[in-house]
Amino acid sequence: DAGVIQSPRHEVTEMGQEVTLRCKPISGHDYLFWYRQTMMRGLELLIYFNNNVPIDDSGMPEDRFSAKMPNASFSTLKIQPSEPRDSAVYFCASSPGTGLNNEQFFGPGTRLTVL
Amino acid sequence: RKEVEQDPGPFNVPEGATVAFNCTYSNSASQSFFWYRQDCRKEPKLLMSVYSSGNEDGRFTAQLNRASQYISLLIRDSKLSDSATYLCVADTGGFKTIFGAGTRLFVKA
Repeated sequence: DAGVIQSPRHEVTEMGQEVTLRCKPISGHDYLFWYRQTMMRGLELLIYFNNNVPIDDSGMPEDRFSAKMPNASFSTLKIQPSEPRDSAVYFCASSPGTGLNNEQFFGPGTRLTVL
Repeated sequence: RKEVEQDPGPFNVPEGATVAFNCTYSNSASQSFFWYRQDCRKEPKLLMSVYSSGNEDGRFTAQLNRASQYISLLIRDSKLSDSATYLCVADTGGFKTIFGAGTRLFVKA
């Protein structure tokens, strides 16, 4: 099992540029989560999907952020335009189901730096 | 008030020590609770789920007190390899999970 795959692992871009982060969840998992982690704010849930449908996007910071899941094996998180305060590690996680004792499996993360 | 609050770190303990972490959650509707471990510059990984009756996994014991909305993690006989950040997690009564800010543990030889 390859686990959750994220790309790129590192991204350095300039303010104003569009950034697209990619995630491939574990096959068979119905839930996909996008998180952002910073020293100041810790690990924050941005959005999650169930069976490719966005369920809760209340954590998305503003309209510059958007996420899609066109099929069960792929999701993207896009930031347009990017700002220096978006610099963080972005994690994707998948789970076979939420509720009691359902583990979330995290990908290795994408370390984003916006200059 | 944050939805999930943890002990401020870092905890610095010698090998073999017993250390306890505490966590409180604010949403009384929360049903699922977990402890995750995160190593430096790595992704979080599940350490253990927290059951209402309390549960143990080797040197690790987790407790839940619903009345006080309090979760704890006890590590016995600390090893150098236990050095990490420990994240307390609660759901919000639905499917949304909230992570605490984490408690850093350093185990020294």
